[in-house]
Amino acid sequence: GQSLEQPSEVTAVEGAIVQINCTYQTSGFYGLSWYQQHDGGAPTFLSYNALDGLEETGRFSSFLSRSDSYGYLLLQELQMKDSASYFCAVRDNAGKSTFGDGTTLTVKP
Amino acid sequence: DGGITQSPKYLFRKEGQNVTLSCEQNLNHDAMYWYRQDPGQGLRLIYYSQIVNDFQKGDIAEGYSVSREKKESFPLTVTSAQKNPTAFYLCASSRPNQPQHFGDGTRLSIL
Repeated sequence: GQSLEQPSEVTAVEGAIVQINCTYQTSGFYGLSWYQQHDGGAPTFLSYNALDGLEETGRFSSFLSRSDSYGYLLLQELQMKDSASYFCAVRDNAGKSTFGDGTTLTVKP
Repeated sequence: DGGITQSPKYLFRKEGQNVTLSCEQNLNHDAMYWYRQDPGQGLRLIYYSQIVNDFQKGDIAEGYSVSREKKESFPLTVTSAQKNPTAFYLCASSRPNQPQHFGDGTRLSIL
Protein backbone atom coordinates (compact mmCIF):
# COMPACT_ATOMS: atom_id res chain seq x y z
CA GLY A 1 0.00 0.00 0.00
CA GLN A 2 0.84 3.64 0.09
CA SER A 3 1.33 5.95 3.08
CA LEU A 4 2.47 9.52 3.54
CA GLU A 5 3.54 11.64 6.49
CA GLN A 6 3.46 15.40 6.69
CA PRO A 7 3.33 17.79 9.68
CA SER A 8 -0.18 18.60 10.86
CA GLU A 9 0.41 22.33 11.43
CA VAL A 10 2.90 25.02 10.49
CA THR A 11 2.84 28.70 11.46
CA ALA A 12 4.84 31.52 9.87
CA VAL A 13 4.72 35.29 9.44
CA GLU A 14 4.02 37.32 6.33
CA GLY A 15 7.00 37.65 4.05
CA ALA A 16 8.75 34.61 5.49
CA ILE A 17 9.69 31.32 3.83
CA VAL A 18 8.17 28.03 4.96
CA GLN A 19 8.95 24.43 4.03
CA ILE A 20 6.40 21.61 4.33
CA ASN A 21 7.96 18.16 4.30
CA CYS A 22 6.44 14.92 3.05
CA THR A 23 7.79 11.41 3.41
CA TYR A 24 6.13 8.53 1.65
CA GLN A 25 6.07 4.77 1.28
CA THR A 26 4.82 3.22 -1.92
CA SER A 27 5.52 0.48 -4.38
CA GLY A 28 5.89 1.55 -7.98
CA PHE A 29 6.41 5.27 -7.32
CA TYR A 30 5.49 7.47 -10.26
CA GLY A 31 5.20 11.04 -8.97
CA LEU A 32 4.59 13.39 -6.04
CA SER A 33 2.07 16.21 -6.25
CA TRP A 34 1.17 19.13 -3.99
CA TYR A 35 -2.27 20.66 -3.58
CA GLN A 36 -3.66 23.67 -1.72
CA GLN A 37 -7.10 23.68 -0.15
CA HIS A 38 -8.80 26.65 1.46
CA ASP A 39 -11.56 26.07 4.02
CA GLY A 40 -14.72 24.86 2.31
CA GLY A 41 -13.09 24.69 -1.11
CA ALA A 42 -11.73 22.05 -3.44
CA PRO A 43 -8.02 21.22 -3.71
CA THR A 44 -6.10 23.11 -6.36
CA PHE A 45 -2.97 21.73 -7.97
CA LEU A 46 0.30 23.49 -7.09
CA SER A 47 3.28 21.43 -8.24
CA TYR A 48 4.40 18.01 -9.43
CA ASN A 49 7.68 16.10 -9.33
CA ALA A 50 8.34 12.86 -11.17
CA LEU A 51 12.13 13.21 -11.19
CA ASP A 52 14.62 14.23 -8.50
CA GLY A 53 15.24 17.90 -8.06
CA LEU A 54 13.50 21.22 -7.70
CA GLU A 55 10.48 22.48 -9.65
CA GLU A 56 9.77 26.20 -9.39
CA THR A 57 6.43 27.89 -10.07
CA GLY A 58 6.42 31.49 -8.98
CA ARG A 59 6.53 31.75 -5.18
CA PHE A 60 6.07 27.98 -4.81
CA SER A 61 8.75 25.34 -5.35
CA SER A 62 8.69 21.60 -4.83
CA PHE A 63 11.57 19.21 -4.33
CA LEU A 64 11.82 15.43 -4.66
CA SER A 65 14.41 12.86 -3.63
CA ARG A 66 13.26 9.43 -4.77
CA SER A 67 16.13 7.65 -3.04
CA ASP A 68 15.01 9.17 0.29
CA SER A 69 11.25 8.85 -0.44
CA TYR A 70 11.03 12.50 0.53
CA GLY A 71 9.77 15.73 -0.88
CA TYR A 72 8.95 19.21 0.26
CA LEU A 73 6.95 22.24 -0.75
CA LEU A 74 8.63 25.61 -0.31
CA LEU A 75 6.53 28.74 -0.09
CA GLN A 76 8.34 32.06 -0.35
CA GLU A 77 7.25 35.63 0.39
CA LEU A 78 4.32 34.35 2.39
CA GLN A 79 1.04 36.21 2.11
CA MET A 80 -2.04 36.05 4.32
CA LYS A 81 -3.93 34.37 1.49
CA ASP A 82 -1.50 31.43 1.69
CA SER A 83 -3.20 30.33 4.93
CA ALA A 84 -4.70 27.01 3.88
CA SER A 85 -4.21 23.26 4.06
CA TYR A 86 -1.49 21.73 1.90
CA PHE A 87 -1.54 18.09 0.82
CA CYS A 88 1.13 15.93 -0.71
CA ALA A 89 -0.06 13.04 -2.86
CA VAL A 90 1.90 10.10 -4.22
CA ARG A 91 0.97 8.35 -7.45
CA ASP A 92 1.97 4.81 -8.29
CA ASN A 93 2.53 3.32 -11.72
CA ALA A 94 -0.94 1.74 -11.66
CA GLY A 95 -2.51 5.19 -11.65
CA LYS A 96 -3.60 5.17 -8.01
CA SER A 97 -3.04 8.32 -5.94
CA THR A 98 -2.90 8.52 -2.15
CA PHE A 99 -3.06 11.79 -0.24
CA GLY A 100 -1.43 12.72 3.05
CA ASP A 101 -3.55 14.03 5.91
CA GLY A 102 -2.60 17.61 5.13
CA THR A 103 -0.64 20.43 6.76
CA THR A 104 -2.51 23.47 8.02
CA LEU A 105 -0.47 26.60 7.33
CA THR A 106 -1.30 29.71 9.34
CA VAL A 107 0.27 32.95 8.17
CA LYS A 108 0.37 35.70 10.79
CA PRO A 109 0.84 39.44 10.20
CA ASP B 1 -14.26 26.88 -20.57
CA GLY B 2 -12.86 23.42 -19.84
CA GLY B 3 -13.37 21.99 -16.40
CA ILE B 4 -14.91 19.48 -14.04
CA THR B 5 -18.51 19.94 -12.96
CA GLN B 6 -19.92 18.25 -9.88
CA SER B 7 -23.59 18.37 -9.01
CA PRO B 8 -25.41 18.95 -6.86
CA LYS B 9 -23.36 21.16 -4.55
CA TYR B 10 -25.37 20.00 -1.52
CA LEU B 11 -27.28 16.73 -1.18
CA PHE B 12 -29.35 15.21 1.59
CA ARG B 13 -29.97 11.50 1.97
CA LYS B 14 -32.69 9.76 3.89
CA GLU B 15 -32.05 6.54 5.77
CA GLY B 16 -32.06 3.53 3.44
CA GLN B 17 -31.85 5.66 0.31
CA ASN B 18 -29.33 5.47 -2.53
CA VAL B 19 -28.12 8.77 -3.94
CA THR B 20 -26.04 9.51 -7.04
CA LEU B 21 -23.45 12.26 -7.33
CA SER B 22 -22.69 13.56 -10.79
CA CYS B 23 -19.23 14.33 -12.18
CA GLU B 24 -18.73 15.56 -15.75
CA GLN B 25 -15.51 16.78 -17.39
CA ASN B 26 -14.84 18.35 -20.78
CA LEU B 27 -11.06 18.26 -20.51
CA ASN B 28 -10.78 15.09 -22.60
CA HIS B 29 -9.05 13.40 -19.67
CA ASP B 30 -8.88 9.61 -19.67
CA ALA B 31 -8.64 9.13 -15.90
CA MET B 32 -11.27 10.06 -13.33
CA TYR B 33 -11.37 9.67 -9.55
CA TRP B 34 -13.69 9.93 -6.56
CA TYR B 35 -12.47 10.95 -3.11
CA ARG B 36 -14.13 11.36 0.24
CA GLN B 37 -13.00 14.01 2.71
CA ASP B 38 -14.13 14.14 6.33
CA PRO B 39 -13.73 17.36 8.39
CA GLY B 40 -10.08 18.08 9.18
CA GLN B 41 -8.93 15.01 7.29
CA GLY B 42 -7.18 14.22 4.05
CA LEU B 43 -8.69 12.79 0.88
CA ARG B 44 -9.42 9.06 0.73
CA LEU B 45 -9.78 7.33 -2.62
CA ILE B 46 -13.12 5.61 -3.25
CA TYR B 47 -12.92 4.53 -6.90
CA TYR B 48 -10.88 5.42 -9.94
CA SER B 49 -11.12 4.79 -13.65
CA GLN B 50 -8.34 5.06 -16.20
CA ILE B 51 -10.41 4.24 -19.26
CA VAL B 52 -14.03 3.99 -20.34
CA ASN B 53 -15.87 0.86 -19.14
CA ASP B 54 -13.18 0.06 -16.59
CA PHE B 55 -12.72 1.12 -12.97
CA GLN B 56 -10.89 -0.02 -9.83
CA LYS B 57 -11.68 0.09 -6.13
CA GLY B 58 -9.78 2.54 -4.02
CA ASP B 59 -9.14 2.35 -0.29
CA ILE B 60 -12.73 2.84 0.91
CA ALA B 61 -15.00 1.41 -1.82
CA GLU B 62 -17.45 -0.41 0.46
CA GLY B 63 -20.93 1.09 0.26
CA TYR B 64 -20.22 2.92 -3.00
CA SER B 65 -20.61 2.09 -6.68
CA VAL B 66 -19.56 3.79 -9.91
CA SER B 67 -19.93 3.46 -13.67
CA ARG B 68 -17.85 4.78 -16.57
CA GLU B 69 -19.97 4.45 -19.70
CA LYS B 70 -18.68 7.66 -21.24
CA LYS B 71 -15.29 9.33 -21.12
CA GLU B 72 -16.83 12.56 -19.84
CA SER B 73 -18.87 11.11 -17.00
CA PHE B 74 -18.08 9.20 -13.79
CA PRO B 75 -21.13 9.14 -11.47
CA LEU B 76 -20.82 7.90 -7.90
CA THR B 77 -23.71 6.17 -6.10
CA VAL B 78 -23.71 6.21 -2.32
CA THR B 79 -25.75 3.16 -1.36
CA SER B 80 -27.72 2.47 1.80
CA ALA B 81 -24.89 0.10 2.76
CA GLN B 82 -22.69 3.13 3.46
CA LYS B 83 -23.62 3.75 7.09
CA ASN B 84 -21.71 6.98 7.57
CA PRO B 85 -22.04 8.85 4.26
CA THR B 86 -21.87 12.41 5.61
CA ALA B 87 -18.77 13.91 3.99
CA PHE B 88 -17.39 16.17 1.27
CA TYR B 89 -17.10 14.22 -2.01
CA LEU B 90 -14.56 15.32 -4.60
CA CYS B 91 -14.24 14.21 -8.19
CA ALA B 92 -11.00 14.65 -10.13
CA SER B 93 -9.67 13.92 -13.59
CA SER B 94 -6.28 13.78 -15.23
CA ARG B 95 -4.33 12.84 -18.33
CA PRO B 96 -2.43 9.54 -17.95
CA ASN B 97 0.15 9.84 -15.17
CA GLN B 98 -0.38 13.57 -14.82
CA PRO B 99 -1.56 15.53 -11.73
CA GLN B 100 -5.25 15.60 -10.99
CA HIS B 101 -7.63 18.52 -11.30
CA PHE B 102 -10.65 18.70 -9.02
CA GLY B 103 -14.27 19.71 -9.26
CA ASP B 104 -15.85 21.95 -6.60
CA GLY B 105 -17.23 19.01 -4.62
CA THR B 106 -20.58 17.81 -3.28
CA ARG B 107 -21.47 17.95 0.41
CA LEU B 108 -23.65 15.02 1.43
CA SER B 109 -25.59 15.01 4.68
CA ILE B 110 -28.06 12.64 6.32
CA LEU B 111 -31.59 13.79 7.08
